[in-house]
Amino acid sequence: TQLLEQSPQFLSIQEGENLTVYCNSSSVFSSLQWYRQEPGEGPVLLVTVVTGGEVKKLKRLTFQFGDARKDSSLHITAAQPGDTGLYLCAGHSWGKLQFGAGTQVVVTP
Amino acid sequence: SAVISQKPSRDICQRGTSLTIQCQVDSQVTMMFWYRQQPGQSLTLIATANQGSEATYESGFVIDKFPISRPNLTFSTLTVSNMSPEDSSIYLCSVDRSQGFTDTQYFGPGTRLTVL
Repeated sequence: TQLLEQSPQFLSIQEGENLTVYCNSSSVFSSLQWYRQEPGEGPVLLVTVVTGGEVKKLKRLTFQFGDARKDSSLHITAAQPGDTGLYLCAGHSWGKLQFGAGTQVVVTP
Repeated sequence: SAVISQKPSRDICQRGTSLTIQCQVDSQVTMMFWYRQQPGQSLTLIATANQGSEATYESGFVIDKFPISRPNLTFSTLTVSNMSPEDSSIYLCSVDRSQGFTDTQYFGPGTRLTVL
């Protein structure tokens, strides 16, 4: 079983601050996806990273995929209350998704 | 992307009863997936449902407890049988969409189940 570890488990910050969430594994994934989930809803896809060393930007969100395709990070610049949610990374391997435990992010005004 | 709907969105059920959850996709897909998300936890894959064949269950999940139907390429159901309070969870269906050389999974809104 490939284990995806996310850190930190919980992050509470003030509006305007920056934050980084990490996703690490000892195994290689063919791709890695980041989702955000709000209470009472299903996970919403933010980005898919495929190539080792890849960096993708989505407005204030920057995603990196490690060179060895074993780890990834999500960086949010100037966080806003609307960024509040559960951030999940998921590694894709052999047609299945393996999820990390998630990072609960709370951004207060 | 994919538009996925689930019914019911939530339910409160009595111990020992069964609940069938429906998942509808806006276009034909080969594989549909069912996940469970227990309170405060991440997502765990229950089974993969292919049209025209029996679902493939992950370790710890059995067909008698979670029977799945896949009558066509846009629809699937998951039944939670003989429920106990430990089955209280959010149940999510998802589908794969190819984007270039990789597959991406899209999720429905989930069904929040509470078992008393």
